Amino acid sequence: SAVISQKPSRDICQRGTSLTIQCQVDSQVTMMFWYRQQPGQSLTLIATANQGSEATYESGFVIDKFPISRPNLTFSTLTVSNMSPEDSSIYLCSVEDLTGNRGYTFGSGTRLTVV
Amino acid sequence: GEDVEQSLFLSVREGDSSVINCTYTDSSSTYLYWYKQEPGAGLQLLTYIFSNMDMKQDQRLTVLLNKKDKHLSLRIADTQTGDSAIYFCAEIPSGGYNKLIFGAGTRLAVHP
Repeated sequence: SAVISQKPSRDICQRGTSLTIQCQVDSQVTMMFWYRQQPGQSLTLIATANQGSEATYESGFVIDKFPISRPNLTFSTLTVSNMSPEDSSIYLCSVEDLTGNRGYTFGSGTRLTVV
Repeated sequence: GEDVEQSLFLSVREGDSSVINCTYTDSSSTYLYWYKQEPGAGLQLLTYIFSNMDMKQDQRLTVLLNKKDKHLSLRIADTQTGDSAIYFCAEIPSGGYNKLIFGAGTRLAVHP
């Protein structure tokens, strides 16, 4: 299955600043997905990132707050903008496993704390 | 609407079997998944089942799917301390192309 490298693994940020999270995949994939896992909760899809087009955002998430780049088939970034303590979460990227597994592979996540 | 529910906590003795249950609402779901999350780690895909199956076995793991009741379970045989983690059930609902809907997760605690 695909191997995903996500960085940073964790960060502590000041409110009002922005953080860009990077996701690198070891194979070309059509779609990449960004999820948020708030403390003690489940995962929620933020957006789907396709190469060459604008990301598709889920209800409750907007591009101004979570801009996404997808410059090629192996890389994507998610920026958390103008952060507040409510943005403290784990952010994970994911890709579909096209090797026949039919699963979705996740990165190890970025644990963000906003102070 | 889309909803996946799980019990939040399960405690078992080492060597016993664990059964984690999940219910979902979309009867047209095509694939259902079980993920494992260890402390401080990302999600690891454990297994999945296609909706036209009612059982899948993979070593110590057995997945049972009851489509009529929209009930999914994960059985772990001979549970070990290394199995202590949070287990998430997830589905892809009809029309939700590639969008995984996760349950809240079941925290499995294995004690000696």
